[in-house]
Amino acid sequence: QVTLRESGPALVKPTQTLTLTCTFSGFLLSRSGMTVNWIRQPPGKALEWLARIDWDYDKFYSTSLKTRLTISKDTSKNQVVLTMTRMDPVDTATYYCARMSSTYFDYWGQGTLVTVSS
Amino acid sequence: NFMLTQPHSVSESPGKTVIISCTRSSGSIASNYVQWYQQRPGSVPSVVIYDTNQRPSGVPDRFSGSIDSSSNSASLTISGLKTEDEADYYCQSYDSSTSWVFGGGTKLTVL
Repeated sequence: QVTLRESGPALVKPTQTLTLTCTFSGFLLSRSGMTVNWIRQPPGKALEWLARIDWDYDKFYSTSLKTRLTISKDTSKNQVVLTMTRMDPVDTATYYCARMSSTYFDYWGQGTLVTVSS
Repeated sequence: NFMLTQPHSVSESPGKTVIISCTRSSGSIASNYVQWYQQRPGSVPSVVIYDTNQRPSGVPDRFSGSIDSSSNSASLTISGLKTEDEADYYCQSYDSSTSWVFGGGTKLTVL
């Protein structure tokens, strides 16, 4: 079955760089049409799409955050990595990775809460 | 870029029908499919409507989606409300300049 799991630090300091890993199973990111996305949700607030990487290595970023984000994939390890630079307390959120195989996010990880605080 | 605007909250009684709107700020709502996600407290979002008006298997037919070009809005309609429908609902669509856009979410209270 399809599973995704986020991993990374629970706490980062302001100005530091956050690195999150999405480890997935049950599908091939090399398959045509497959994408893995990162989405975040600050406590009590709305979902915000961050970035996406496609089966063919195409990458897309949120307009407001694109200068801070980098997404990459390691197909052999079934992993997608997101880095976000210059972390700030407003970046405190639960970060999700989610698969899209057609037109909607069909599988999500459980999310990982990242707190930005000194 | 465009925004998707949803009412902050709606409430209705069990057994009734509720409609949650999602208004696109620029460009036609009909240009791209709209998805709707349900997020119960403490849970991960799950899709209840995709491609504007399609229900995934397992989602009851009490859930339906539509668009209204005159108001440039999409709507999620939930009929025969149940207490288990109480959740946050998010619309989502595609922005060709970046990728995916979510609405601000609507908290549905079934009281």
